[in-house]
Amino acid sequence: EDKVVQSPLSLVVHEGDTVTLNCSYEVTNFRSLLWYKQEKKAPTFLFMLTSSGIEKKSGRLSSILDKKELFSILNITATQTGDSAIYLCAVVSRVEYSSASKIIFGSGTRLSIRP
Amino acid sequence: DVKVTQSSRYLVKRTGEKVFLECVQDMDHENMFWYRQDPGLGLRLIYFSYDVKMKEKGDIPEGYSVSREKKERFSLILESASTNQTSMYLCASSPYLGQGYTFGSGTRLTVV
Repeated sequence: EDKVVQSPLSLVVHEGDTVTLNCSYEVTNFRSLLWYKQEKKAPTFLFMLTSSGIEKKSGRLSSILDKKELFSILNITATQTGDSAIYLCAVVSRVEYSSASKIIFGSGTRLSIRP
Repeated sequence: DVKVTQSSRYLVKRTGEKVFLECVQDMDHENMFWYRQDPGLGLRLIYFSYDVKMKEKGDIPEGYSVSREKKERFSLILESASTNQTSMYLCASSPYLGQGYTFGSGTRLTVV
């Protein structure tokens, strides 16, 4: 059965700290791995990763994928209170015998940044 | 920007009622999805559709059905609502395989 596991489930750090969020997966027909940030409403897209070892970067956030070891990390440096959110990892896979895709989400990491 | 619109933000329904959740996207996306989100369980796929009139079961289809009569609209139906279907429901769409998904703002359904 396909699954996506995120760790830790919850994390509290002080403003200015650097955090690393983990995502491991077991899926068949892997296509890509996605990171989302969810505050009060729906998740907003952060990164899409398809190739191993290539870092994606956006400001203080960065992410990398390891397709051999089946995991990804999301790094946030110099954290700010506005980074407090649930961070979701999701894996897109191809549906067998079909051109359709499906996406499986991890349960998320709840990140709280204390001033 | 792609917009995914869910018709209701908050709904309260009684046990046994038939409930319709509507989702509309405006960018001609092939794929549309319905998820529910519960604390500690993350987002779980209920059903998805990769074309008009096509549907596939996700991980937790029991108690739900879907309808996609037009490309832009994907409806989730709770045939007989139960209290364990109280949840946040999120609709999403994507253009094609492997692309990032755009989510609607969610419908928080409470079944009493």
